[in-house]
Amino acid sequence: GENVEQHPSTLSVQEGDSAVIKCTYSDSASNYFPWYKQELGKGPQLIIDIRSNVGEKKDQRIAVTLNKTAKHFSLHITETQPEDSAVYFCAASKSATDSWGKLQFGAGTQVVVTP
Amino acid sequence: NAGVTQTPKFQVLKTGQSMTLQCAQDMNHNSMYWYRQDPGMGLRLIYYSASEGTTDKGEVPNGYNVSRLNKREFSLRLESAAPSQTSVYFCASTQYNEQFFGPGTRLTVL
Repeated sequence: GENVEQHPSTLSVQEGDSAVIKCTYSDSASNYFPWYKQELGKGPQLIIDIRSNVGEKKDQRIAVTLNKTAKHFSLHITETQPEDSAVYFCAASKSATDSWGKLQFGAGTQVVVTP
Repeated sequence: NAGVTQTPKFQVLKTGQSMTLQCAQDMNHNSMYWYRQDPGMGLRLIYYSASEGTTDKGEVPNGYNVSRLNKREFSLRLESAAPSQTSVYFCASTQYNEQFFGPGTRLTVL
C-alpha cells in the first residue's frame, strides 16, 4: 500500500521567515495530495491541495509543489506568523476523482513560530 | 451547519469495558471515516463507509466495529477496550476528496 513519509517532525522558525515541510510517497498511482493543519485540541483542516496534473499551487502565503518523477511534494509557508503555529499533515490518495478517496497521512510536523 | 460532530469529547474506560463513539455530519456527504491519532504516527484509518449501507476496513481495524446508521451517522464501537486503544479518535466525512474532520474524542483505557 501507499506509504507517506514527512520531514521534519518539528520545525521552529522566527516570525517572518519561511517554513518548508517535505513529504515523499511510494505509490506512483497516487494523484491527489492535500495538506492539513491541526490546531491544538481541534480536528485537522484542509489548507491546500494539489492534483498530479499540476506542478505548483499557491494560495496567499502558502504554496505546494509536486515532483511526480521523484515522488515528493512540499508545503511552503512564507512570512510566517504566530497563528501558523500548528501541526501540519501531508497526505496522498489514489482517487482524485472518486468521491470516497482514502487518504494516507504522513506523521505530521509540529511548526512553532517564535516572535 | 454544525459540520461533523462527535460525542463524547473525553472518555476513560477500564480494560474490557465497551463503548460506542458517535459521529454525525449535516453536509449530506456520502463517505465517512474513522481515524485514530497517536503521537508520531499521524492519522491512521480504522474503518470507512464509502456510502450509506457499506463499510470497509482501513489500516487498523482490529478491536473495532462500525455501523453506518444512515447517511448522517457513523458510529465506532469498542467491544472490549484495551490499553493499546488509548488514542484520539477523529471522524471525518467527504464529498470530493476534501475531508472534514470532527473535533475528536480523547479516549483513555486504563
